[in-house]
Amino acid sequence: DVKVTQSSRYLVKRTGEKVFLECVQDMDHENMFWYRQDPGLGLRLIYFSYDVKMKEKGDIPEGYSVSREKKERFSLILESASTNQTSMYLCASSLSVGGYTFGSGTRLTVV
Amino acid sequence: ILNVEQSPQSLHVQEGDSTNFTCSFPSSNFYALHWYRWETAKSPEALFVMTLNGDEKKKGRISATLNTKEGYSYLYIKGSQPEDSATYLCARITGTASKLTFGTGTRLQVTL
Repeated sequence: DVKVTQSSRYLVKRTGEKVFLECVQDMDHENMFWYRQDPGLGLRLIYFSYDVKMKEKGDIPEGYSVSREKKERFSLILESASTNQTSMYLCASSLSVGGYTFGSGTRLTVV
Repeated sequence: ILNVEQSPQSLHVQEGDSTNFTCSFPSSNFYALHWYRWETAKSPEALFVMTLNGDEKKKGRISATLNTKEGYSYLYIKGSQPEDSATYLCARITGTASKLTFGTGTRLQVTL
């Protein structure tokens, strides 16, 4: 069974901390994505990557960066966490065509 | 239409009712439309990937149609069951990197 694994289900961090959210997929997918989900706003794309070491900004990249050193791993980095980054973060992967496979999400609270 | 829009925002039906929701999207530069089901405390699950105008796909009691010329897709659920309760998301592929733009979803609640 194909899998996208996010390292933490729940996370609480302090304002100003550097936060790493990890995502690993075992399907050899080229494309990987980070979304955040907020009530009433739906899933919004933060960053995506279509190959190792490649990254592109999504719709809301401010305050975030990403790293993709290996094909299976895509990390989302909050450089200096702020309370407005409290959200549910979802990682996904896909082939060039076809549906996304999502991870189970990380609920991040910044206090 | 500039973005992906879904209606209604939420829906409450009785077990056994059939229901449908709408996804509207910009018709220009269309690549594909996806439907996902997102149950509480689980990951979104892909239902359909649709690419051709007039496409109709079916999975059990759930089916979807696509009109790329006018920019809409319908999702139908026949004989709703409590286990169909979930948020149904549609998303449009934009660009060449399979990047999906999501609607805000339709939240369906099916009661006995």
